[in-house]
Amino acid sequence: AQTVTQSQPEMSVQEAETVTLSCTYDTSESNYYLFWYKQPPSRQMILVIRQEAYKQQNATENRFSVNFQKAAKSFSLKISDSQLGDTAMYFCAFMKHVRDSGGSNYKLTFGKGTLLTVNP
Amino acid sequence: KAGVTQTPRYLIKTRGQQVTLSCSPISGHRSVSWYQQTPGQGLQFLFEYFSETQRNKGNFPGRFSGRQFSNSRSEMNVSTLELGDSALYLCASSLGTGRGNEQFFGPGTRLTVL
Repeated sequence: AQTVTQSQPEMSVQEAETVTLSCTYDTSESNYYLFWYKQPPSRQMILVIRQEAYKQQNATENRFSVNFQKAAKSFSLKISDSQLGDTAMYFCAFMKHVRDSGGSNYKLTFGKGTLLTVNP
Repeated sequence: KAGVTQTPRYLIKTRGQQVTLSCSPISGHRSVSWYQQTPGQGLQFLFEYFSETQRNKGNFPGRFSGRQFSNSRSEMNVSTLELGDSALYLCASSLGTGRGNEQFFGPGTRLTVL
């Protein structure tokens, strides 16, 4: 079974600064996906960034980037130029890639989350 | 394109009752997954449906069941409700094939069991 660990229950950062959220995972799979999801106070979960395990290059999406260390099973999220709208719960998630005749199977395993507060 | 919709948004039930939650995926999405979110346990996977078939199931008792219709809409049913079933139930939809595995979440249904 896969496990995802987020060791920082809460973090805070000043507006315009950079913050890094940590995530480690445990799996015996070689083919998988990793995600960071954001859940603002309104509760709608939004995908922030995605990383495919077979890709060595770290994913980036505007102000969001990841540091993917496959051997260390580490997947941290860096938020640059933090904005007030970045205040949210951030979840790291793992998806094993399993393909059957009907397509791929989708099951996300989530970490407990990190509550990020961006202060003005 | 409309997002994932869930109905109802809020629900209050008493112990022993049963409840049905509904999820309408994004048009064209064939995979629907359900998750339970609680402060103590976090987000836990319930089950996933693709083309009306359950493909994955989490570690929940048989009181939790679901189904998917031919139009990809999905329902989740919880029978004999317990206080511990109080949670936010999230539905997520995906294309369901190939590398289209990004899951789009709905706003959730907040279930309170009294």
